[in-house]
Amino acid sequence: DTGVSQDPRHKITKRGQNVTFRCDPISEHNRLYWYRQTLGQGPEFLTYFQNEAQLEKSRLLSDRFSAERPKGSFSTLEIQRTEQGDSAMYLCASSIGWAGGTDTQYFGPGTRLTVL
Amino acid sequence: TQLLEQSPQFLSIQEGENLTVYCNSSSVFSSLQWYRQEPGEGPVLLVTVVTGGEVKKLKRLTFQFGDARKDSSLHITAAQPGDTGLYLCAGARGSGNTGKLIFGQGTTLQVKP
Repeated sequence: DTGVSQDPRHKITKRGQNVTFRCDPISEHNRLYWYRQTLGQGPEFLTYFQNEAQLEKSRLLSDRFSAERPKGSFSTLEIQRTEQGDSAMYLCASSIGWAGGTDTQYFGPGTRLTVL
Repeated sequence: TQLLEQSPQFLSIQEGENLTVYCNSSSVFSSLQWYRQEPGEGPVLLVTVVTGGEVKKLKRLTFQFGDARKDSSLHITAAQPGDTGLYLCAGARGSGNTGKLIFGQGTTLQVKP
């Protein structure tokens, strides 16, 4: 299976700890996105990368959150000093990133974060 | 304020019934996608609609994009238990390749055998 993969699938942590999630996009996809989904809601955009450049960040991405895509392939999302309100499903998606036409995003299985 | 409003939020029906899910906005979208999501998994793309008035069919599912590209609908004919899941609409703004998707809050569908 060459779809988007995320690791870990589940993470339980105590308030105040740091956590890091990894996303491996579909090979040759230039764009990589992070979304957050809380129970009963649709995903909310956090940030996205075109290759290694972070092009947009949501206001939801507080200074405790940082995302990187150092070589334009996999990406990491780190949350520092976690709070209970950070508990959510963190979804990664990737797309080819065409200059024209519709650019379909394909989602990974997500990382479920629980902050105790 | 939800930019994309989905209705209904919950739907529980018997196998064999028909249903329609609506996705409405006051904003124009360059394209709109429909996804289906299972518990504990990521959304899986069902269809993308781009042109105002466009209708796409995927077996028993029919998707329509409004003429003004502000709304969309998903109609399921003769629903089956396997259709159970969370249905999400998501819009892209600007011209074609716009980056982020804006999602509705989702419609949870339960089809009872």
